[in-house]
Amino acid sequence: QSALTQPASVSGSPGQSITISCTGTSSDVGNYNLVSWYQQYPGKAPKVMIYEGSKRPPGVSDRFSGSKSGNTASLTISGLQAEDEADYHCCSYAGRSTCVFGSGTKVTVL
Amino acid sequence: QVQLQESGPGLVKPSETLSLTCTVSGASIGSGSYYWSWLRQPAGKGLELIARIYTSGSTDYDPSLKSRVTISVDTSKNQFSLKLSSVIAADTAVYYCARTLGWSRFDYWGQGILVTVSS
Repeated sequence: QSALTQPASVSGSPGQSITISCTGTSSDVGNYNLVSWYQQYPGKAPKVMIYEGSKRPPGVSDRFSGSKSGNTASLTISGLQAEDEADYHCCSYAGRSTCVFGSGTKVTVL
Repeated sequence: QVQLQESGPGLVKPSETLSLTCTVSGASIGSGSYYWSWLRQPAGKGLELIARIYTSGSTDYDPSLKSRVTISVDTSKNQFSLKLSSVIAADTAVYYCARTLGWSRFDYWGQGILVTVSS
């Protein structure tokens, strides 16, 4: 299966909202409500921020939200803060007991 | 608090077998409805699920790696392990172990271990 497509980088100023897209196909993102998003600081392990498309684990800020339209899932960070500067990875179930990740997006807070 | 810790050699020679162990604390590998997974991330690239094992022992493997991968669990030690045979330079990556809830999410991760394939 092919990796999900994410923009290499997204930037925004403090307080702004940004959206990261994650484009797959009708065999993965479009066919299942099983997209998750992970935040990763340099040299650190990923942390789940969104799961099953739009659910937030306990302790994750409500500034993070997830959605999906067709074959594209999105992660929106509202009220951007300096601490949000990190890499973000999407992941989707792809059927046949496999999952596929995106290539990752670097978020820069200007 | 669930914690995972990877261990194993940081350097493996080409054509040899990479062997890693993940030690779990704060949760019992043998109980609960969880999968226990191995993932990797080459430098500057995205994540890749290598394999996962359920508490019952059933397994899932990435199709492109399946012929070279074995995942196993030792409930007496609360550990699970990964073996990747016939390694090549492209297998150089940071390897993570993680707890997995179905296909919903990877909710707890180890800190990662860098494995370099080089002679």
